[in-house]
Amino acid sequence: DVKVTQSSRYLVKRTGEKVFLECVQDMDHENMFWYRQDPGLGLRLIYFSYDVKMKEKGDIPEGYSVSREKKERFSLILESASTNQTSMYLCASSLIRLGQDGYTFGSGTRLTVV
Amino acid sequence: KQEVTQIPAALSVPEGENLVLNCSFTDSAIYNLQWFRQDPGKGLTSLLLIQSSQREQTSGRLNASLDKSSGRSTLYIAASQPGDSATYLCAVKRSGANNLFFGTGTRLTVIP
Repeated sequence: DVKVTQSSRYLVKRTGEKVFLECVQDMDHENMFWYRQDPGLGLRLIYFSYDVKMKEKGDIPEGYSVSREKKERFSLILESASTNQTSMYLCASSLIRLGQDGYTFGSGTRLTVV
Repeated sequence: KQEVTQIPAALSVPEGENLVLNCSFTDSAIYNLQWFRQDPGKGLTSLLLIQSSQREQTSGRLNASLDKSSGRSTLYIAASQPGDSATYLCAVKRSGANNLFFGTGTRLTVIP
């Protein structure tokens, strides 16, 4: 069964810390995405990557960066965590191939910044 | 910008009922539409993917339809069960774009 794995289900970090959220997929997907989900705001795209070392800003990239050194791994970095970054973070991946380009999501990381 | 709306925001039905969830989108130039299910505190599980050239997709008790010209999709759930209780999200991929635009979801409760 295809999988997107997020390394942590729950994280608690202090304000100002540098935080790494890791995502790994085993499906050889070209595209990978990071979303955050907040009540009343739905899912918002932070960054996505369509190839190794390639990245594109989404709707809310401020305060975040990403890294994709290998095809299967996409990391989200909070350079200096703030309380307004407390949220559910969701990683997803997809193929480019027509007809097989549905998204597969990980189980999410609930991050609390105190 | 593509806007995706799901109405109602919440729905309660007795077990066994057939039900329809609605999704509308403002830009009909879509590439595909995907329905997801999300359980509380969990990630999203893909239910059905409909390409722009298709009119419907079926999986078990689920049937999703797509009417691009009117900017609408429906998710039909037959013979609902308590285990169907979850939030259902639709998401649209615009032509020429890589990312999805999500609705805010319909929270479904199936009462035993």
